[in-house]
Amino acid sequence: QQQVKQSPQSLIVQKGGISIINCAYENTAFDYFPWYQQFPGKGPALLIAIRPDVSEKKEGRFTISFNKSAKQFSLHIMDSQPGDSATYFCAASKDGQNFVFGPGTRLSVLP
Amino acid sequence: DAGVTQSPTHLIKTRGQHVTLRCSPISGHKSVSWYQQVLGQGPQFIFQYYEKEERGRGNFPDRFSARQFPNYSSELNVNALLLGDSALYLCASSFSGAVETQYFGPGTRLLVL
Repeated sequence: QQQVKQSPQSLIVQKGGISIINCAYENTAFDYFPWYQQFPGKGPALLIAIRPDVSEKKEGRFTISFNKSAKQFSLHIMDSQPGDSATYFCAASKDGQNFVFGPGTRLSVLP
Repeated sequence: DAGVTQSPTHLIKTRGQHVTLRCSPISGHKSVSWYQQVLGQGPQFIFQYYEKEERGRGNFPDRFSARQFPNYSSELNVNALLLGDSALYLCASSFSGAVETQYFGPGTRLLVL
């Protein structure tokens, strides 16, 4: 019940295209859903996050869509750029503690 | 301002040995969390400390322990190392213990032979 599933495992997108990564969770007690971006040799960096009282949150080219009834949330990267090439992790937590991370999606944006 | 710093950056140990990893949080941050990231997987929560008290513990054996010092820096200790302990160990700090505002360090890469 603590697991967060993430797909796809890897994603190749052309420059200017839309990248979509999906996550699903089981524990309905989770109340915070962040996305992290990680470059090789670096720690994860918070990209964008959402709480279950809203269905969508947009920050620049990054959008989270949240479906509480389906227990799913997704990250959309609009106008994908080669600099977006990284590994993306979704995560979930309750009360801001004991984060559970998905297994990650390796995104490659081709120039 | 300096971000979260971790030392050492890389470490090689043999099975059965002990290791100590260190983390210095962002100045003013009072909470430190530790994560283990096995190659190709997402980070797994190990511990959270806030104001020098353990606030949370993940599903790791007692071989893993940690502490936080008065200056809010932290150590992660792993005893009786196993091959499966080879991973990137990440430290994250936050100001108030609200983990949604946590900032990760670059990690310590541990290899157990």
